[in-house]
Amino acid sequence: SQQGEEDPQALSIQEGENATMNCSYKTSINNLQWYRQNSGRGLVHLILIRSNEREKHSGRLRVTLDTSKKSSSLLITASRAADTASYFCATDAPHGNNRLAFGKGNQVVVIP
Amino acid sequence: DAGVIQSPRHEVTEMGQEVTLRCKPISGHDYLFWYRQTMMRGLELLIYFNNNVPIDDSGMPEDRFSAKMPNASFSTLKIQPSEPRDSAVYFCASSRTVYNEQFFGPGTRLTVL
Repeated sequence: SQQGEEDPQALSIQEGENATMNCSYKTSINNLQWYRQNSGRGLVHLILIRSNEREKHSGRLRVTLDTSKKSSSLLITASRAADTASYFCATDAPHGNNRLAFGKGNQVVVIP
Repeated sequence: DAGVIQSPRHEVTEMGQEVTLRCKPISGHDYLFWYRQTMMRGLELLIYFNNNVPIDDSGMPEDRFSAKMPNASFSTLKIQPSEPRDSAVYFCASSRTVYNEQFFGPGTRLTVL
């Protein structure tokens, strides 16, 4: 079954630095989503990028999508301590299981 | 809107007991999802409903688990009998379509002793 997989799985950075994480997937998609999960909370949707889009911005977030490489990246600029969280990518699978498939998550720690 | 509501937030029970987790999705959302999250296995989809009908329950680990959605505003996930390996955080999420943004509840942290 299709599933997004994030890389690297754990990242530790200083406040103010940029954080980049990647997600790869196996089959064609219509869209890819990124979610954030703070400790002890549910996942929160950050951004959705469609297969015909290459880049999308939302505040300090920048997402890219390369359908030829079946990969996406999430960049958080000027990181803050509050960005400490796990980040998940999720892909649809229009010819697969008819539901979103979440990756394993990528833990980011921002050191004040 | 209050978002997805789950209860209880924490549940501690003894092995063999019945556990019932509850979820109220966002009004107007036709899809409801139940997930389980553990350190070892990550986030797993257990079952999801469309318009109160179960569509895919292939993630339900075994017959001890059952889920119902009697109406558009309420769903339950039941474990009977519970076992220590069921200890996890259980999330409920809802969305307008199966591929749209999902809104997650705060989760129920279940501990089975």
